[in-house]
Amino acid sequence: GEDVEQSLFLSVREGDSSVINCTYTDSSSTYLYWYKQEPGAGLQLLTYIFSNMDMKQDQRLTVLLNKKDKHLSLRIADTQTGDSAIYFCAESTGYQKVTFGIGTKLQVIP
Amino acid sequence: NAGVTQTPKFRVLKTGQSMTLLCAQDMNHEYMYWYRQDPGMGLRLIHYSVGEGTTAKGEVPDGYNVSRLKKQNFLLGLESAAPSQTSVYFCASSRGTGGYTGELFFGEGSRLTVL
Repeated sequence: GEDVEQSLFLSVREGDSSVINCTYTDSSSTYLYWYKQEPGAGLQLLTYIFSNMDMKQDQRLTVLLNKKDKHLSLRIADTQTGDSAIYFCAESTGYQKVTFGIGTKLQVIP
Repeated sequence: NAGVTQTPKFRVLKTGQSMTLLCAQDMNHEYMYWYRQDPGMGLRLIHYSVGEGTTAKGEVPDGYNVSRLKKQNFLLGLESAAPSQTSVYFCASSRGTGGYTGELFFGEGSRLTVL
């Protein structure tokens, strides 16, 4: 079955870059996602990448996909305190469901 | 535009009691989902629906029932609550086929405690 793994915690200083990593097992994944959850709130989609892409950039966010190693990363440039949140990696192979990792808690130190 | 709305936001139950969580979406989405979020476990899919009148089991369906009588509503029921069902429950919706990217739109969550 599908499995998505990511580390639990990352701490960075304000202004530095953050890199959150994720591995997945299902080689037929069509879309891969990064969701952000702020305290007391639901998840919100940050960005997604289609499986035939290697990289996607959106302002401060860069997503890298290594399909051979089934590795996905999210880089946040110039990390701000407002970026403190839990970041979920997720993958989808079809219409019915999305499988989430356990989430990486990003702590930004002022 | 409210998006996805869950009620209630907080609830405390005693073991054996029943309750229903209501999810409503105003985006005319075909697909709706119920997830539970537990520490160290991430989000796990309980049940989902791909259209009005249809439901299907997800990863952890035991102890829950769902209904989708109207396209905009998806109800999650606990017939006999157990302490193991203490969790934060999230409803989500997504568009169906046609321009599908799989993006899920989440409600703010319902925190349920079973004593």
